[in-house]
Amino acid sequence: EAQVTQNPRYLITVTGKKLTVTCSQNMNHEYMSWYRQDPGLGLRQIYYSMNVEVTDKGDVPEGYKVSRKEKRNFPLILESPSPNQTSLYFCASSLVRSTDTQYFGPGTRLTVL
Amino acid sequence: GESVGLHLPTLSVQEGDNSIINCAYSNSASDYFIWYKQESGKGPQFIIDIRSNMDKRQGQRVTVLLNKTVKHLSLQIAATQPGDSAVYFCAENPYDKVIFGPGTSLSVIP
Repeated sequence: EAQVTQNPRYLITVTGKKLTVTCSQNMNHEYMSWYRQDPGLGLRQIYYSMNVEVTDKGDVPEGYKVSRKEKRNFPLILESPSPNQTSLYFCASSLVRSTDTQYFGPGTRLTVL
Repeated sequence: GESVGLHLPTLSVQEGDNSIINCAYSNSASDYFIWYKQESGKGPQFIIDIRSNMDKRQGQRVTVLLNKTVKHLSLQIAATQPGDSAVYFCAENPYDKVIFGPGTSLSVIP
């Protein structure tokens, strides 16, 4: 089944404790992206990647890192999480570019205490 | 910064009626627009898209209208059904980025 998977689905952590949210797609997509969703603000793009080893900042990249060592994986790294990073995070992928249909993962609910 | 916004944050419609969800965008570089549907507890799902060289595009029960003069986008859902209850987002694609609006919650009254 073609899908985007994220892990973990739920995470509660404390300020400053490094964490990684994994994202994997099995559709051989080149474009991958991370979003955060907050009430009243919709989805905001954090980082995106056009292909392996190619990543770029979205609208809200501060406090986040990403890597794209393999085509299928696009982990989101929070080196020192803070409470304002409490949010619902979505990973998405599309065939080649952002204008191709994006397929979203199920989301990761992160709480930073 | 530049953003995509929605005029109505919530919308309630009677089952069988038509729904219209509006969206304003501000980025002049955007030439591609998408509507997504997000059901509770799930990620957004693609509904329909439109490129800037078009004014209207129709899908199954959905129509997207684009007015570039006033930078306005709308989603029309015909014969709204209970399964249409969800949050609807418009999004634009300036360059390689994706910018979403804040969303409109659609509730269908049986």
